[in-house]
Amino acid sequence: NAGVTQTPKFQVLKTGQSMTLQCAQDMNHNSMYWYRQDPGMGLRLIYYSASEGTTDKGEVPNGYNVSRLNKREFSLRLESAAPSQTSVYFCASSPLGTQYYGYTFGSGTRLTIV
Amino acid sequence: KQEVTQIPAALSVPEGENLVLNCSFTDSAIYNLQWFRQDPGKGLTSLLLIQSSQREQTSGRLNASLDKSSGRSTLYIAASQPGDSATYLCAVKTNAGKSTFGDGTTLTVKP
Repeated sequence: NAGVTQTPKFQVLKTGQSMTLQCAQDMNHNSMYWYRQDPGMGLRLIYYSASEGTTDKGEVPNGYNVSRLNKREFSLRLESAAPSQTSVYFCASSPLGTQYYGYTFGSGTRLTIV
Repeated sequence: KQEVTQIPAALSVPEGENLVLNCSFTDSAIYNLQWFRQDPGKGLTSLLLIQSSQREQTSGRLNASLDKSSGRSTLYIAASQPGDSATYLCAVKTNAGKSTFGDGTTLTVKP
């Protein structure tokens, strides 16, 4: 009963490097989300995918790209990492019709840009 | 724009005490409100979800209430235990389908 799985759990990057954060869910949820969590700023939505084949920008999309590979997987890519992207990144999912359902979160990726 | 506030930012209580955590929001046109628990260095674990048509939800020692008209939700924890120590966050989903998270209340229960 894995729920939402994120990889890697920890990563250190140099400024300018690129990387992809992976997220997979096994609950047959339609919607998936990427958040970042920073001290004093709470959780902020980066991108979301309401259903397979669609993606939309959230509150803080600059510097990121996403891919909804299939119903299970939603990846987040940093093309040219910047120190301001040092954060904890969380992936979440929910069933379609989120009026009646809440979120299930992964355990997070702690990303440091040096 | 929906704003969600959780006060106090930190709370310390002795073991066994009953306590209330608060979540306030500015836009009452909500779909639901969800309470989460986050342990240090971990992800968010869902505790309770209250639909906009509901007044409260209960799970074990936890009871969450919702008053849309006043823009408030409370999470009541009965007979607190050291294992309840964590950060508690609320998330409010508006009718636009987006959620706004509070910054959380960090609870410490002392043995």
